[in-house]
Amino acid sequence: AQSVAQPEDQVNVAEGNPLTVKCTYSVSGNPYLFWYVQYPNRGLQFLLKYITGDNLVKGSYGFEAEFNKSQTSFHLKKPSALVSDSALYFCAVRLSGGYNKLIFGAGTRLAVHP
Amino acid sequence: GAGVSQSPRYKVAKRGQDVALRCDPISGHVSLFWYQQALGQGPEFLTYFQNEAQLDKSGLPSDRFFAERPEGSVSTLKIQRTQQEDSAVYLCASSARQGAGTEAFFGQGTRLTVV
Repeated sequence: AQSVAQPEDQVNVAEGNPLTVKCTYSVSGNPYLFWYVQYPNRGLQFLLKYITGDNLVKGSYGFEAEFNKSQTSFHLKKPSALVSDSALYFCAVRLSGGYNKLIFGAGTRLAVHP
Repeated sequence: GAGVSQSPRYKVAKRGQDVALRCDPISGHVSLFWYQQALGQGPEFLTYFQNEAQLDKSGLPSDRFFAERPEGSVSTLKIQRTQQEDSAVYLCASSARQGAGTEAFFGQGTRLTVV
């Protein structure tokens, strides 16, 4: 069965430092991978997606993610963290074919300290 | 507004009460999803509509949960005889097309508390 793992419950980063939020997946077909961010009392906001092609995907707010098929990973990155990036981040996978439901990881809380 | 709208934002129900949660998707969006997000967890899939057709309801946890989208736009998630374990945030999402690469846009959710 397909699944997504976010091995870190929380990531702490100093403002201005690079950040990485990890995600690994397990699927039997070609994965479509997504990152969403959730701010307090707000819905999930789409950040970026990988469908095919270039393994480095650029998204909103300066975030990017790297698809690594051999390691079945899709880590979220940003070169320089902002305090305003502090939020809950979710990785999700969707199979090609089927009814397009998203399988989410448990989430990683990112805390950026001044 | 241009986004997915859900109402009510908060709902407190007494155990055994029936509740109805509403979702207004982005206009013209074909696909509509319901997810359940328990505290401290990622969202979990409940059901999927393509226009008015409910194509996947494999995530509905019991026959107390029922969803409809009769005209292919607004959707309602109904929970009968609510129980404490139903307490969660219920998220609705829509996407413009059916396609695995199409991103879904989420509403702010309805926080249901069963007391």
